Amino acid sequence: DAGVTQSPTHLIKTRGQQVTLRCSPKSGHDTVSWYQQALGQGPQFIFQYYEEEERQRGNFPDRFSGHQFPNYSSELNVNALLLGDSALYLCASSVGTEYGELFFGEGSRLTVL
Amino acid sequence: GDSVTQMEGPVTLSEEAFLTINCTYTATGYPSLFWYVQYPGEGLQLLLKATKADDKGSNKGFEATYRKETTSFHLEKGSVQVSDSAVYFCALLLSSGSARQLTFGSGTQLTVLP
Repeated sequence: DAGVTQSPTHLIKTRGQQVTLRCSPKSGHDTVSWYQQALGQGPQFIFQYYEEEERQRGNFPDRFSGHQFPNYSSELNVNALLLGDSALYLCASSVGTEYGELFFGEGSRLTVL
Repeated sequence: GDSVTQMEGPVTLSEEAFLTINCTYTATGYPSLFWYVQYPGEGLQLLLKATKADDKGSNKGFEATYRKETTSFHLEKGSVQVSDSAVYFCALLLSSGSARQLTFGSGTQLTVLP
């Protein structure tokens, strides 16, 4: 049973560029959440998708957007990249209301130069 | 706002030593509390949880008790192993209202030496 898979694992971008990160949830899961983890910090909630809609959003600017597809997979898009966007981006999946039981992927390490 | 404060690391212990990682929280409601672990090169994994005051979560020899009076959820293990080396995160989730998102502490790096 595959867990949460994320791609790419590492990428380097320059300021002003745009990036798309992808996530496939654990089999049977229908809810996807995205977190940003800066170096040496705990994950910060970006947003959550359920039934192809953004259900909750953390304190992140509109440059951060997402999408969920009918197969429950999800994308995170970040526009107009800033140096401060350099971080590990974690995808977590869960089943409906069992929000606290998150299963995390290994993350996508984004470096902005 | 809601927040979690963790004991600053890094923490270095010898194998079979006793481990305590302190965690305190601030929340307006009645949160559920969690410990997550991140092994090198892996994603976060749920280690244990407690959903109400005086509950004790336990897993893999680790324990934590939800103490409402001291707003704490300290992680303990009686005898650590080299394989316990990882980063440990305390987190809270409010059990009511619309703020159903995990709030994490900053993490505590644990290194266990043979």
